[in-house]
Amino acid sequence: GDSVTQMEGPVTLSEEAFLTINCTYTATGYPSLFWYVQYPGEGLQLLLKATKADDKGSNKGFEATYRKETTSFHLEKGSVQVSDSAVYFCALSESFWDNNDMRFGAGTRLTVKP
Amino acid sequence: DTGVSQDPRHKITKRGQNVTFRCDPISEHNRLYWYRQTLGQGPEFLTYFQNEAQLEKSRLLSDRFSAERPKGSFSTLEIQRTEQGDSAMYLCASSLGHGTGALGAYGYTFGSGTRLTVV
Repeated sequence: GDSVTQMEGPVTLSEEAFLTINCTYTATGYPSLFWYVQYPGEGLQLLLKATKADDKGSNKGFEATYRKETTSFHLEKGSVQVSDSAVYFCALSESFWDNNDMRFGAGTRLTVKP
Repeated sequence: DTGVSQDPRHKITKRGQNVTFRCDPISEHNRLYWYRQTLGQGPEFLTYFQNEAQLEKSRLLSDRFSAERPKGSFSTLEIQRTEQGDSAMYLCASSLGHGTGALGAYGYTFGSGTRLTVV
C-alpha cells in the first residue's frame, strides 16, 4: 500500500543552521503530500502541502518540493530557531478529491539548541 | 470555533476495564478521523466518518473497539476489555470532504489527543 519513509531522528542542530528532513513515498497514483508538525503536548498541525509534481509548499520559512522523479518531498529550512524544536511528520493522501486516506511516516524529532 | 477538542486528555485504567473517549470536531467539517499513535511512531489510521456514516475501518480496529458519530457532530471511541497493548495516544482529526463543495487536498486538523495508559 501507499506509504512514506522519513529519515530517522533525532536531529540536533544549532540555531540558524540549515535543516533538511528527508521523506520519500511509495504510491500507485498521484498522491498529495504533506508535512505536519507536533510540538510537545500538542496535536499535529499542518505545516505545508503540495498536490502535484513540482509544486512547492511553504510556510513559516519551511519549504518542500514535490519531486515525482525521485518520489521525494524533503522538508527544508534555511535557518532554524529554538522554537522549531518539534516532531515532524511526512504524510500522503492518495485521493486528491476526497483526501480521506492520510498516511503518516514515523516522524523525525528535531531539537534546536541555542 | 476553538478547533478539535478531545476529552479526556489523559486516562489511566486497569486492564479489562472499558474506556470511552470523546472528540468534538470543527463544526463545519463533515469528516472525522480516529488515529492511534504509539511512542516514536506516526499516527496509524483507525477509522473515519463522513457525517454520521462510518466509511472505513482499519484492520487495527479489533472487535473490542467501536466508534460512533450519532448525529454527525461529536464522536466517541470505546475500547472494551482494555489490554496493555492498547496504551497509546488516541488522536482525533477533522476535515472538509466530499459533499461540502470543497475540492482539493485539505489537510486535517488534529486535536491534542487522549493518552491512554492501561496498567
